[in-house]
Amino acid sequence: SQQGEEDPQALSIQEGENATMNCSYKTSINNLQWYRQNSGRGLVHLILIRSNEREKHSGRLRVTLDTSKKSSSLLITASRAADTASYFCATRGSNYKLTFGKGTLLTVNP
Amino acid sequence: EPEVTQTPSHQVTQMGQEVILRCVPISNHLYFYWYRQILGQKVEFLVSFYNNEISEKSEIFDDQFSVERPDGSNFTLKIRSTKLEDSAMYFCASAKQGMQTQYFGPGTRLLVL
Repeated sequence: SQQGEEDPQALSIQEGENATMNCSYKTSINNLQWYRQNSGRGLVHLILIRSNEREKHSGRLRVTLDTSKKSSSLLITASRAADTASYFCATRGSNYKLTFGKGTLLTVNP
Repeated sequence: EPEVTQTPSHQVTQMGQEVILRCVPISNHLYFYWYRQILGQKVEFLVSFYNNEISEKSEIFDDQFSVERPDGSNFTLKIRSTKLEDSAMYFCASAKQGMQTQYFGPGTRLLVL
């Protein structure tokens, strides 16, 4: 798989349920970031986790990072209809650029 | 809260024309970036800019592309002679430090006819 590949590609859940999205990458990283994109709009930064961190929380978001497996997960708890968006992981290596995955399209049904 | 802004939000141009996309990064940020997203595809890195020079560029960023920080606030991306395949959403981003969070603008949707 390519750097920053998310799965599933699409996820549909009911409001109030938890949503889990996964990301895998190939090369070593300095940090990994998750972004949200509403349809046709800009990228909103959600959370950054450094390579020496294993878990991070921000509100209803929980991110884990397993550098041995080169994978990360984003958990959104108690989802809301407003969480409907595409979610991308982006990795940063030793340079400054971000490498994005293809994203997971999350649909939260009211 | 400070935001990255981009103008225009949409631009339609004829193939072969020059376009300039404009960005105003967050004021105390030092690192600036351009990315693009072709419809339905990944966000792709184009170029990073620091201390008034390009620090890294991708293979997409060929001689048709250039970036400039003409004054203390604007950061521009110029495409000299647009091609159909340049149609995409172009995002500007900025960061305070090189390894910190990049904050993205809302994007400019470019359509080349």
